[in-house]
Amino acid sequence: SQTIHQWPATLVQPVGSPLSLECTVEGTSNPNLYWYRQAAGRGLQLLFYSVGIGQISSEVPQNLSASRPQDRQFILSSKKLLLSDSGFYLCAWSQGRHQPQHFGDGTRLSIL
Amino acid sequence: AQRVTQPEKLLSVFKGAPVELKCNYSYSGSPELFWYVQYSRQRLQLLLRHISRESIKGFTADLNKGETSFHLKKPFAQEEDSAMYYCALQGTYKYIFGTGTRLKVLA
Repeated sequence: SQTIHQWPATLVQPVGSPLSLECTVEGTSNPNLYWYRQAAGRGLQLLFYSVGIGQISSEVPQNLSASRPQDRQFILSSKKLLLSDSGFYLCAWSQGRHQPQHFGDGTRLSIL
Repeated sequence: AQRVTQPEKLLSVFKGAPVELKCNYSYSGSPELFWYVQYSRQRLQLLLRHISRESIKGFTADLNKGETSFHLKKPFAQEEDSAMYYCALQGTYKYIFGTGTRLKVLA
């Protein structure tokens, strides 16, 4: 069966530090991959999605970036974190665009 | 524009009462709509999708194209239904989520 792993679960970082959040999917090939930010009262905001290795689409311009170095690996990064980057980040995958999405446990990111 | 609107941030009902979580959408083509649920300390997970036309945990949702709605209903709420519910629209390559409704079922 397919599983999705997302880590770390929580992260506390100082302003201006770099960021790397990792997400991997097992048990499937060529999944669509997504990064969301979940904020209270604002729902889920799609940040990036990828339909294949090296193919990244950005939905919201900001100081975050995403990469897909392998078929089932999706990384969310930043060179310099801002206070406004604090939040809850979710990774998700789907097998094709018309299929339901499956979510990871999320990462709680706090910027000090 | 593609948009999903969930007008209620919080909905409180008593156990045994009917529940209706509202969802309205804006989409130019044939929409594919989903309801996701997040129970306390659990992952966000699919509850149901409109093309399945099934009932999950007693919940149903009917797509009304005339009213552009996909409301989630359950005739008798249970305490374990307390959770955050998100309506989602499948767009071109991505989902568009509503802002969510927190359902509290009171004993």
